[in-house]
Amino acid sequence: DIQMTQSPSTLSASVGDRVTITCRASQSVSNWLAWYQQKPGKAPKFLIYKASSLESGVPSRFSGSGSGTEFTLTISSLQPDDFATYYCQQYNTYSWTFGQGTKVEIK
Amino acid sequence: EVQLVESGGGLVLPGGSLRLSCAASGFSYSSYTMNWVRQAPGRGLEWLSYISSGSSATYYADSVKGRFTISRDDAKNSLHLQMDSLRAEDTAVYYCARSHCSGGTCYVAFDIWGQGTSVTVSS
Repeated sequence: DIQMTQSPSTLSASVGDRVTITCRASQSVSNWLAWYQQKPGKAPKFLIYKASSLESGVPSRFSGSGSGTEFTLTISSLQPDDFATYYCQQYNTYSWTFGQGTKVEIK
Repeated sequence: EVQLVESGGGLVLPGGSLRLSCAASGFSYSSYTMNWVRQAPGRGLEWLSYISSGSSATYYADSVKGRFTISRDDAKNSLHLQMDSLRAEDTAVYYCARSHCSGGTCYVAFDIWGQGTSVTVSS
């Protein structure tokens, strides 16, 4: 299985900060990488697909980049609604796998 | 409104069985591949199972292979997960999730999720 590793595991930031989360794959997944946001007690929300394509309705402050084995999710100006846990997921190769998550906390 | 609603969770003894269901609405269900994903308490997300449109192909994570069976009923817009030989480590919230489809092709990324149903395996 392809292992997905996110860093950092926890991130403390303030409203208005630029935030970057990294996701690394144990082997190339091309650009078949998605990002999700999850709030406590809620289902995950689909943010980005194909590494950099923004899902409809997702604010433009979210962006994704990367290919191969290294990917980033950037929030350009953190908003109160953005404090949550973020997951990457590869869908290049069965068995489809998630990163362990990055919790974005209020500083 | 595009919606997935899971049901069937609960408390079950180790070694027991449970059948989860997911009711889909607001989209052309038969055209989409579907999945189950779970999340153990305080843990991350784990993809469990996939079923193609028309049920011609199914895939499972190694952790549930041979114990869980995915199925769908396109006439009833429903998805199911039969879970047998349950273990304590199967305790989790179980989500059904729609595959993301674009340009006539579906990919195993998950654009619509249900609210989840909780399964506890304990004596």
